[in-house]
Amino acid sequence: AQSVSQHNHHVILSEAASLELGCNYSYGGTVNLFWYVQYPGQHLQLLLKYFSGDPLVKGIKGFEAEFIKSKFSFNLRKPSVQWSDTAEYFCAVNVDYGGATNKLIFGTGTLLAVQP
Amino acid sequence: NAGVTQTPKFQVLKTGQSMTLQCAQDMNHEYMSWYRQDPGMGLRLIHYSVGAGITDQGEVPNGYNVSRSTTEDFPLRLLSAAPSQTSVYFCASSYSGQEKLFFGSGTQLSVL
Repeated sequence: AQSVSQHNHHVILSEAASLELGCNYSYGGTVNLFWYVQYPGQHLQLLLKYFSGDPLVKGIKGFEAEFIKSKFSFNLRKPSVQWSDTAEYFCAVNVDYGGATNKLIFGTGTLLAVQP
Repeated sequence: NAGVTQTPKFQVLKTGQSMTLQCAQDMNHEYMSWYRQDPGMGLRLIHYSVGAGITDQGEVPNGYNVSRSTTEDFPLRLLSAAPSQTSVYFCASSYSGQEKLFFGSGTQLSVL
C-alpha cells in the first residue's frame, strides 16, 4: 500500500534560518503530491501541489518543493523562515489512476517552531 | 460560500454511545472524505466518497459508517463509541480526488 513518510517530527529554527522538511512516498507509479499546512488553531490549507511538469513547485508564502522521482521524494523548502511559519506541515500523496478518484494519504506531519 | 461545514465542534460521549458527525459542503464537490487527526500520527483517512451513492474505505474504517445520499452531505456515524475514537475529525471535499482539498474546521470528540 502507498505510504508517506515524514522523518522530521519536530523542527526548531531561529528566524531567517533555512528550512527543509523531508517527505518520501512508497508508490512507484504516477503520483500527485501536496504539502498542507495547519497553523495553530486553524484547519489545514494547501501550501503547494505537484501534478506534472516542472519538478520545482512554488507555493504560497515563499515555500517551494522539489519532486525527485528517482528518490521518491518531495521535500519542502524555504530560504528564510519567519515566526509566522510556526505550524504543522503535512505531506500528502495520491495515485493518479488516469482520472478515477483515489485516496489522498497524509504523512504524520512535522511540527515547526520558529523562534524570534 | 460557507465552504465545508462540520457540526458539532465539540462532543463528549460515553463508551457505547452512538452519534453522527455532520458534514456539508456547498461547492458542488464530488469528492468528500473524513480524516481523523491524532498526535504523532498525522491525518488518517477513514472513509471517502466519489459522488452521491458511492463510498469506500480509507486507512482506518473500523468502527465508522458513512453514507452519501446527496452531493452536499457526508455524515460519519459512530455506532458504538470507544475511547480509541477520541480524536479530532476533519471532513474535506474537492472537485475531484486529485484536486485541492477544502477542510472543515474539525470536530473534537472525546469518548470516556
